[in-house]
Amino acid sequence: DAGVTQTPRHEVAEKGQTIILKCEPVSGHNDLFWYRQTKIQGLELLSYFRSKSLMEDGGAFKDRFKAEMLNSSFSTLKIQPTEPKDSAVYLCASSLQGGNQAPLFGEGTRLSVL
Amino acid sequence: QQKVQQSPESLIVPEGGMASLNCTSSDRNVDYFWWYRQHSGKSPKMLMSIFSNGEKEEGRFTVHLNKASLHTSLHIRDSQPSDSALYLCAARGNYKYVFGAGTRLKVIA
Repeated sequence: DAGVTQTPRHEVAEKGQTIILKCEPVSGHNDLFWYRQTKIQGLELLSYFRSKSLMEDGGAFKDRFKAEMLNSSFSTLKIQPTEPKDSAVYLCASSLQGGNQAPLFGEGTRLSVL
Repeated sequence: QQKVQQSPESLIVPEGGMASLNCTSSDRNVDYFWWYRQHSGKSPKMLMSIFSNGEKEEGRFTVHLNKASLHTSLHIRDSQPSDSALYLCAARGNYKYVFGAGTRLKVIA
């Protein structure tokens, strides 16, 4: 079965650059989540979409982080401008709305901002 | 704001021993709990789920849930070095999935 696909797997950016991370959810899933994971903060929710509608935008991440879901099979996370503190692993997850299905995670994008 | 507290932060157990991990939610609307395992450099993978009061066993892994106290626990018997990982607890209340900070388990041979 196809899982959640994230690209790129690794990204290196200079401070101030714009980067775009991509995610393809599992076909048929209508919930999509973007998380940031660091050793200190753990998993932090950046954005949550249900059936392509933005349900939650992660509060503190609003100013430089923008997630979009233009169709049900593709989502992007733009960080503009990047800062060194954005260095982290960015995880995308999808699930089927309702029921007892747990979110399924992609393999993540490791971002390093110099 | 809903919080999920996990304890302990880290745990070392000998190979063959029992590991016990705890998780409590502060949201009375929580109806589902999951446990995820994340090996170093990998993404979290769902390990076990529990939705009803009581206990559920799958091989060496057992989860308990007390809905009244919103507490779940994961027990790993006959722990193996390959069980060394970060264990994350997730709780869903309304539409929100909230993850705890995790318990880092190390199994030493």
